[in-house]
Amino acid sequence: KNQVEQSPQSLIILEGKNCTLQCNYTVSPFSNLRWYKQDTGRGPVSLTIMTFSENTKSNGRYTATLDADTKQSSLHITASQLSDSASYICVVSDNFNKFYFGSGTKLNVKP
Amino acid sequence: DVKVTQSSRYLVKRTGEKVFLECVQDMDHENMFWYRQDPGLGLRLIYFSYDVKMKEKGDIPEGYSVSREKKERFSLILESASTNQTSMYLCASSLTESYLGSLHFGNGTRLTVT
Repeated sequence: KNQVEQSPQSLIILEGKNCTLQCNYTVSPFSNLRWYKQDTGRGPVSLTIMTFSENTKSNGRYTATLDADTKQSSLHITASQLSDSASYICVVSDNFNKFYFGSGTKLNVKP
Repeated sequence: DVKVTQSSRYLVKRTGEKVFLECVQDMDHENMFWYRQDPGLGLRLIYFSYDVKMKEKGDIPEGYSVSREKKERFSLILESASTNQTSMYLCASSLTESYLGSLHFGNGTRLTVT
């Protein structure tokens, strides 16, 4: 069964600290993996997208990694800011263009 | 910039009412999707459409129908609203040609059925 699991479910960190969010998937055949950020009351917005051949991609203070062998991805946030408080959703696509969503990690950055 | 607009941010309806959720995109995307988002469950696909007048059932289509009469507009219909349809509803669109293209989401409609 194609699944995407994220951990932790929620996370509280202090402003300025780094954090790492995890995503494990069983989707096959794998096409690509995306990380989305969803602010409270808003729709998800794409942060990064990675294909099978890519193992790291950055977008400002966000760095996503992908290990296609172990079917794991992580999203690392550097020097967190209050505006990073949001839910982060991992989305994996198969070769049939179907999207599989994780249930998200809710990040709370405190001053 | 890409824009997906959902007509209502908040809706409160009574059990048994017929409910229409509207979504419009201005990007000339072929594909449009309706998801519902519930805590701990992630996004679940209700219906999607890959062309005008075409529709496909997603993972949880029961109790819902859709309409796509124009390329830019995709409507979700709750024929007879029930309390278990209280949820956040998200519309999204994407391009067919670009398999790496992102899903572009609207800001959601939070529906409460009482």
